[in-house]
Amino acid sequence: QLQLQESGPGLVKPSETLSLTCTVSGGSIRSSSYYWGWIRQPPGKGLEWIGSIYYSGTSYYNASLKSRVTISIDTSKNEFSLNVSSVTAADTAVFYCVSGRREPGIRGPTLFDYWGQGTLVTVSS
Amino acid sequence: QSALTQPASVSGSPGQSITISCTGTSSDVGDYNYVSWYQQHPGKVPKLMIYDVNNRPSGISNRFSGSKSGNTASLTISGLQAEDEADYYCSSYTISSTYVVFGGGTKLTVL
Repeated sequence: QLQLQESGPGLVKPSETLSLTCTVSGGSIRSSSYYWGWIRQPPGKGLEWIGSIYYSGTSYYNASLKSRVTISIDTSKNEFSLNVSSVTAADTAVFYCVSGRREPGIRGPTLFDYWGQGTLVTVSS
Repeated sequence: QSALTQPASVSGSPGQSITISCTGTSSDVGDYNYVSWYQQHPGKVPKLMIYDVNNRPSGISNRFSGSKSGNTASLTISGLQAEDEADYYCSSYTISSTYVVFGGGTKLTVL
């Protein structure tokens, strides 16, 4: 049973970079069956996929966020990370790290089966 | 504005059935059978309830079922129970550069 756990600052200043890490346990991040990614949920609002990465380093991003987002992976530590640059108050959200099923021939995850507990990141001075 | 359109709210009485629709386009719901549904109770983590249009993960009650017709997917919950009261989100793979889209969510109230 996969377990995912987010870690990182809960408060980030406007214009700075938001950085979160997700540690995976109960399985290898080098699995050929999964993408590893991030989904966010602003308070009181819906879910938004941010992006996902394969253990090889291949990544896919939501086009609306692509210019500010970087997802990286460290297979030696079984963890992956999210950076969002130039944040504003609109980036305040609960951030979930997720595992996403990988289907041959499909560029990106096709479902999200394991979720971290989520971490609230507030952008404020 | 979400890429997939869901009703903001639905309601039903215990024991009844309800259906939540999720309307997309020929670039997502209409062209791929990668539609999934997530249940989220207040303050909790979303949970996968249906995947690939009509498949249930292990442990999910058979009261939950999914279907698709054209560009619209649907989640049906039969034999409504108080514990089903939650927000429900649909999601689909998309050929566009967004890759994954979600609906805006539907709040289910069990009367």
